[in-house]
Amino acid sequence: GAVVSQHPSWVICKSGTSVKIECRSLDFQATTMFWYRQFPKQSLMLMATSNEGSKATYEQGVEKDKFLINHASLTLSTLTVTSAHPEDSSFYICSAATGRAKDSQHFGDGTRLSIL
Amino acid sequence: DAKTTQPPSMDCAEGRAANLPCNHSTISGNEYVYWYRQIHSQGPQYIIHGLKNNETNEMASLIITEDRKSSTLILPHATLRDTAVYYCIVSPGGGNTPLVFGKGTRLSVIA
Repeated sequence: GAVVSQHPSWVICKSGTSVKIECRSLDFQATTMFWYRQFPKQSLMLMATSNEGSKATYEQGVEKDKFLINHASLTLSTLTVTSAHPEDSSFYICSAATGRAKDSQHFGDGTRLSIL
Repeated sequence: DAKTTQPPSMDCAEGRAANLPCNHSTISGNEYVYWYRQIHSQGPQYIIHGLKNNETNEMASLIITEDRKSSTLILPHATLRDTAVYYCIVSPGGGNTPLVFGKGTRLSVIA
């Protein structure tokens, strides 16, 4: 089946640091990828839709200047959390759209970000 | 907002069938019913999907009512590894439409 790789799986850094998270579709091309955020005991919340070769579309309330998304190829999207603060600590999950109704999206295993 | 309603939690004895209900009374004609599950600290895993007909695969069965306003996910022989949060999602599928997650059902399989 389709595989999506997300890296790193876990990162701890100091407040003010910028952190980059990579999302790769390993065996299929994904023109569209999605970024979600999940706080403890809550569901996944969509942050943005990333389209290859164009600007990302952000959900209401998500700061585009803080969460920079780049989708430079059909197999790679990156999310950079700029000048991260403790309130940005969360579980970040990407998914890649397969373009098929069957199985629709495949998800990475998430990145746990902890800002000290 | 999610278009589905699920019970917040359920228990199931190991080896028994787990039946997880989902209400989606406002589903549109072009929307599929998807089921994903999320094991603790992992990304969601695709289980099954359907449009009108009942579906079965190696993981589960999906029963959709004739009016499509509700469905049931069946895990025929639950194991401890099936303990997870199960999400029922309605979506047109494919293309550029993101999946919108509700709160899901936390299934606990008990030995």
